[in-house]
This record gives sequence, structure tokens and C-alpha cells, in this order.
Amino acid sequence: DTAVSQTPKYLVTQMGNDKSIKCEQNLGHDTMYWYKQDSKKFLKIMFSYNNKELIINETVPNRFSPKSPDKAHLNLHINSLELGDSAVYFCASSWGAGTNAEAFFGQGTRLTVV
Amino acid sequence: DQQVKQNSPSLSVQEGRISILNCDYTNSMFDYFLWYKKYPAEGPTFLISISSIKDKNEDGRFTVFLNKSAKHLSLHIVPSQPGDSAVYFCAAIWAGANNLFFGTGTRLTVIP
Repeated sequence: DTAVSQTPKYLVTQMGNDKSIKCEQNLGHDTMYWYKQDSKKFLKIMFSYNNKELIINETVPNRFSPKSPDKAHLNLHINSLELGDSAVYFCASSWGAGTNAEAFFGQGTRLTVV
Repeated sequence: DQQVKQNSPSLSVQEGRISILNCDYTNSMFDYFLWYKKYPAEGPTFLISISSIKDKNEDGRFTVFLNKSAKHLSLHIVPSQPGDSAVYFCAAIWAGANNLFFGTGTRLTVIP
């Protein structure tokens, strides 16, 4: 039974399109995240979100928008896709921040923009 | 600005020997450190952690050492097994932070 699941696993799309990646966790965690792993393999936080507050990383373009219908789901919408958006996107969840932030990760979504 | 650094992108070790993976950090506010293991086409999975009040934490074949004065931690795997071949990420956080800060990973290859 997958703890953190994200779909799709692979996504190939053309520049300029709008796409979404879905994430669901069944761990009862109250905090969820989106991380981006770029070509240099650097895992960088994009957003963290708990049921009270969305924390936006200011370096993330506003074409990226997280949406959380409930605390078990955090979807990532990307508008006007660009070549540089190609990366692997990981969803994760944890009990909270600070020392409770042992995060559980989904399997990743490899986005390729052509 | 990368606050957690893993300067060795890869490491090869013979089966049965010790693997030592290193990690350095720059932010003195970090007070909790984690190691994650990642297989291809999978997400990172938590391996072991250490609080800044300790300098060593063991879990089976895995031991993490923390040297706060040097802002350095290391993961020791003894004995190394072929199934340990993966990318290992070091991560850090402090009590008031919202998320983990990751290093760029070290690819460990254990040669049978």
C-alpha cells in the first residue's frame, strides 16, 4: 500500500502547454511538499504546505501553483511549460516541520518538455 | 546558495568493505540531519538520522557521525553489500524551518 503516490510517473509535453501532477498521501501527515530534482541532481524545495499555510519558495516561477483540496492531496499545476521545466518532480509528506520533518517521498514524475 | 554539500558525486567500494559518505553544511542553525537512499526511478527513502545533541547514531550496518564544530557528517556502511548501491542524499533542517535542505547526492556502487 503506497504511502505517497504521485501520477503520472512520466509526462512528455510540448512547450506552452499546461499540465498537472497529482499527489496523494495516506499517512495522515499534515505537511506536504513538492521538490524538484534538476539536471544537476539537486533536490530543491519548491513548496511546503500544511493544512494551515502554504509556504512558497520565492525562486519558483509563478507558472507553478500548488493546489491542496484536502490535507491528503497536494497537486502541482504548471502553466505555459518551458524547456527548462524538464526535471523530476517529487512529492513528499511529513508530520510537520523542524525535527518532525522526516519526509516520505513519492516515486517521482519525470517531466520532459519538448 | 547550497547549504548542504556532498562533494563526492560517486564512490565505489568492494563488497564487505566499509563505505564512507561525507556531507558538509554551512548553516549553523541546522540541528537535525538525515540520510536518504534513492534507487533509480524511485523516490528517496529515509535511512537514518541524527540530532545535533548527539555525535553518533547507529542502526544495524549504518552509522552516522556528526562533527558540529567542523559542520560535517558522515555515513558509514559496514559491511557494504551490493544492494546498498544507490544514490545517498544528506539532508538537514532546524526546528523553525519548513523543509529539508538536501545535498546533491553521492552515487555508491558496491562491487561484488
